[in-house]
Amino acid sequence: DADVTQTPRNRITKTGKRIMLECSQTKGHDRMYWYRQDPGLGLRLIYYSFDVKDINKGEISDGYSVSRQAQAKFSLSLESAIPNQTALYFCATSELKSDPYFGGVAGELFFGEGSRLTVL
Amino acid sequence: TQLLEQSPQFLSIQEGENLTVYCNSSSVFSSLQWYRQEPGEGPVLLVTVVTGGEVKKLKRLTFQFGDARKDSSLHITAAQPGDTGLYLCSGAGSYQLTFGKGTKLSVIP
Repeated sequence: DADVTQTPRNRITKTGKRIMLECSQTKGHDRMYWYRQDPGLGLRLIYYSFDVKDINKGEISDGYSVSRQAQAKFSLSLESAIPNQTALYFCATSELKSDPYFGGVAGELFFGEGSRLTVL
Repeated sequence: TQLLEQSPQFLSIQEGENLTVYCNSSSVFSSLQWYRQEPGEGPVLLVTVVTGGEVKKLKRLTFQFGDARKDSSLHITAAQPGDTGLYLCSGAGSYQLTFGKGTKLSVIP
């Protein structure tokens, strides 16, 4: 079984619908992330969570919300989907590493297999 | 916001050729990671470079971290069709990772 599991893998929906993408992990990592990938734009961070009580906005959080239900579960919601939210979404986890200059830094990211969302 | 400029965006070469992908920033990073992504899958870590000037080799792949820890390069020797994929660089700063836009490599047999 994969260490980071995303559901659903593919979803087609209509404008205005509420959509939830779910992520669960068995890595035991405290840090979880949601990224969006678009051709030519790379991976852009939507939200990240350091633990169950610590959730932070990334660079493109507008139109999205998240919930950290447990250490192992982090879900992403689109309250009212719009066509420009059509993209490939990735959940990822990491450990926290210490750095003498930066303090805490993210270690290696472990990604799920992605959720392809199409909004018509 | 820390930005990573990755180049080239696309690269199509013949099997056996050499290539270099660059990742540049004006910001200093704690470390720099290189990931490879295949269609339908999530990115997978290839290597992490931590020390300025560090060079790491992974078979035919050579990774270098700039002395000032602001840039990195990936060099592939004698590319194979199996090297085809999307290569992403990522810099670790304060609590987050910043990604470049990726280099899509196609190696033609």
